Amino acid sequence: DGGITQSPKYLFRKEGQNVTLSCEQNLNHDAMYWYRQDPGQGLRLIYYSQIVNDFQKGDIAEGYSVSREKKESFPLTVTSAQKNPTAFYLCASSIRQSFLLHFGNGTRLTVT
Amino acid sequence: AQTVTQSQPEMSVQEAETVTLSCTYDTSENNYYLFWYKQPPSRQMILVIRQEAYKQQNATENRFSVNFQKAAKSFSLKISDSQLGDTAMYFCAFLSDNTDKLIFGTGTRLQV
Repeated sequence: DGGITQSPKYLFRKEGQNVTLSCEQNLNHDAMYWYRQDPGQGLRLIYYSQIVNDFQKGDIAEGYSVSREKKESFPLTVTSAQKNPTAFYLCASSIRQSFLLHFGNGTRLTVT
Repeated sequence: AQTVTQSQPEMSVQEAETVTLSCTYDTSENNYYLFWYKQPPSRQMILVIRQEAYKQQNATENRFSVNFQKAAKSFSLKISDSQLGDTAMYFCAFLSDNTDKLIFGTGTRLQV
């Protein structure tokens, strides 16, 4: 079955450590996205990529980094520069210009 | 910049009754797409319904329908014959024809 896999479901880190969230899709989608979800704030776009080896900052990119070396993979690194990293992170993908996003099941990151 | 506003943080409805969730948006674009996503307690994002701005006819999907008022920049979701499984967060979202960025509202928590 095709889909988007985010792993792990729960992630715990100490403050000051970088952490990488995995997102893999086997839908052959060109575009991939990372969103952050906080209570009362909906989903906010962190980074997105429309093709391999290219990506753009979203609305809240500070403290995050991404790479897109393969079409199937779009990992997100939460760096120590991110002031409030504890949140729920959602990855999504779509066929370019299809305007239909498919979402993964999310990763809950807790930094203490 | 485009914005999406959902003014109802929480709503409740009895089983079999009808409920309407409100959404307004702000844009200077003429061609765009509007979506309603459902996020149940599992936190999986599920597309409920979508509307193309160039279509005057309101979209419907079984018990879900929208009231799209382009001049008023309003996009409300009506759920008929509400079921227990409709309990979820509902997010309104906007996507311009010029970008691949999906912008979300802050959500409405619906309890059936």
